[in-house]
This record gives sequence, structure tokens and C-alpha cells, in this order.
Amino acid sequence: KAGVTQTPRYLIKTRGQQVTLSCSPISGHRSVSWYQQTPGQGLQFLFEYFSETQRNKGNFPGRFSGRQFSNSRSEMNVSTLELGDSALYLCASSSGTGESYGYTFGSGTRLTVV
Amino acid sequence: AQSVTQPDIHITVSEGASLELRCNYSYGATPYLFWYVQSPGQGLQLLLKYFSGDTLVQGIKGFEAEFKRSQSSFNLRKPSVHWSDAAEYFCAVALKAAGNKLTFGGGTRVLVKP
Repeated sequence: KAGVTQTPRYLIKTRGQQVTLSCSPISGHRSVSWYQQTPGQGLQFLFEYFSETQRNKGNFPGRFSGRQFSNSRSEMNVSTLELGDSALYLCASSSGTGESYGYTFGSGTRLTVV
Repeated sequence: AQSVTQPDIHITVSEGASLELRCNYSYGATPYLFWYVQSPGQGLQLLLKYFSGDTLVQGIKGFEAEFKRSQSSFNLRKPSVHWSDAAEYFCAVALKAAGNKLTFGGGTRVLVKP
């Protein structure tokens, strides 16, 4: 069973540009969440999509947005990049609720803003 | 405020010695509880999780964790550490009412001495 796939693994962007990151969840998982990891702030929740609808959102500015497609693949977009957006962006897919509750993470996309 | 605390930022342990990582949470209800491990440059791997029932949970790689409601704690243990256990460990919680949103502790970096 394939895991969570994130592309690309590494990105270097210039301040002011925009970037799109992609996440393909485990087959059958309908929930995709995104997290930002930085040395200063740790792991922070960005948002979660379930069946193409944003179900939960963290405390990030509107420059951070996402979407989910009918095949459950998700994209995250950051516009007008700032130096502080440099981070490891992690995607997690979930199988649902109850005892099957679980989050499987991808290897992440390392974004560097210069 | 709801929070997850890992009091130890760094722990150094000798190979073959036992390891205990602490995690405390502050929530009104008992949340779902998780421990993840992250190797440098990698994503997060789930070690174990607690939803309900037996308060001693067995995970992968020889890890176990004990949920103590009275202390709001979910400490991770391993009887005998291997050099490959050197990594960063994260405790995380999720509230059923909050959907699939994980809140992470700050992490504990484990160094293993030969």
C-alpha cells in the first residue's frame, strides 16, 4: 500500500513569488491535513480537507490556501512568499474516525524562500 | 488554554539504557493521544496511539506508552535503546470534537551515546 506522497521534496523560491505543493494521500483516505514545521514555532496545523471541503483551519494568514480534488489529492498554495514561510510542509492523511483514527505523514516538502 | 507540553528538549541516553519521554496535556476532555518520531529531513512516523481502554499501549520499534488520566500524562518508554533510536520525538493530541486536527508538543531530541 503506497504511503502519502508529497511533491516536490525541495523548493527554492524568491520572496514575493507564489508556490504550490502537492499531496497524494493513502488510497481510500478522504481526509488530508497540512502542517508547517519550523525550528521556532514547531509543528503547526494549517488546514484539513475532507471530501473536497475545508473542515478545519489553523491560525495562518489568508496567503495560505488549499484545495482537495475528487480523488482526494490535495494542493496547498502560498502566495506572496515571505522569508518566514521557509519551512518543512507536511501532509497527513487520515482513515477516518473511531478506532481507525490515524494520521500518516508524508516526507514533506522543504521550502526555502530567499 | 489547550496545550501539549514536552518538558525535555534534549535527552542523552547510553545505548542499551532505558528511555522515558514525558508528555503532559491540558484539555477539558481526554483527547486522542499519539507519539510520533522524526528522523532528520524526514516526515513523521507514528509509534503508537491511545484512544481508550487499556492505559498501557504497545507500539512499534519496542516502544510503549502509559496514559495516566490523573496526571494528564502520556509518557513514552523503551526498555533498551538502540543507536537507531536517535531522533526527535513528538507527542500529539487530537480532540474528537475538533476533527482531524493534531496539536503537537515541542518535541524531545534524543541522542544515543555508544
